[in-house]
Amino acid sequence: AQKITQTQPGMFVQEKEAVTLDCTYDTSDPSYGLFWYKQPSSGEMIFLIYQGSYDQQNATEGRYSLNFQKARKSANLVISASQLGDSAMYFCAMRGNFGNEKLTFGTGTRLTIIP
Amino acid sequence: DTAVSQTPKYLVTQMGNDKSIKCEQNLGHDTMYWYKQDSKKFLKIMFSYNNKELIINETVPNRFSPKSPDKAHLNLHINSLELGDSAVYFCASSQRGQISPLHFGNGTRLTVT
Repeated sequence: AQKITQTQPGMFVQEKEAVTLDCTYDTSDPSYGLFWYKQPSSGEMIFLIYQGSYDQQNATEGRYSLNFQKARKSANLVISASQLGDSAMYFCAMRGNFGNEKLTFGTGTRLTIIP
Repeated sequence: DTAVSQTPKYLVTQMGNDKSIKCEQNLGHDTMYWYKQDSKKFLKIMFSYNNKELIINETVPNRFSPKSPDKAHLNLHINSLELGDSAVYFCASSQRGQISPLHFGNGTRLTVT
């Protein structure tokens, strides 16, 4: 079974500061993917970034980077130079391959950027 | 071009009624999902279909019945609606065999009164 743990229910960060959202996971799958989604107050689920379990380098997408530490089973999201528009719920999720394709979500972190 | 579209966006109905939510994707994916997001924002998978075949069926009351007429469509029918069914329902799609992101629709907010 797959499990995702997000231990920060809410975070407040000053605009332009960097922020790290924590995510730890547990799985017995040899191959898996880790994902981060953003859900603004408008409700849609926006895919941000993906890290494959065999990727050697940490994933980056613009201001988003994923700090992947396989031995620690952690996949933290780092947002650099935060903006007011970054205020949202952030979900960490994972999925495996055949036979374990569902995307399992953590409980989310509500990020609020303070001007 | 909407990739995953679901209708309606809002659905308000009374207990005991039957309602349907429709979902369509134009990404060419072969796998589609229904997720439920509760009032605490927790997202939980309900069903998944691959090429019209049910592959994931989590513990969901049998009042919920998914139907997939083809790989681009996955509808959700709910019978005898209950107050506890109030939630946001998300449709999503992906390609089987790839550990790739799920693409989500914008959600349907169901309110049962």
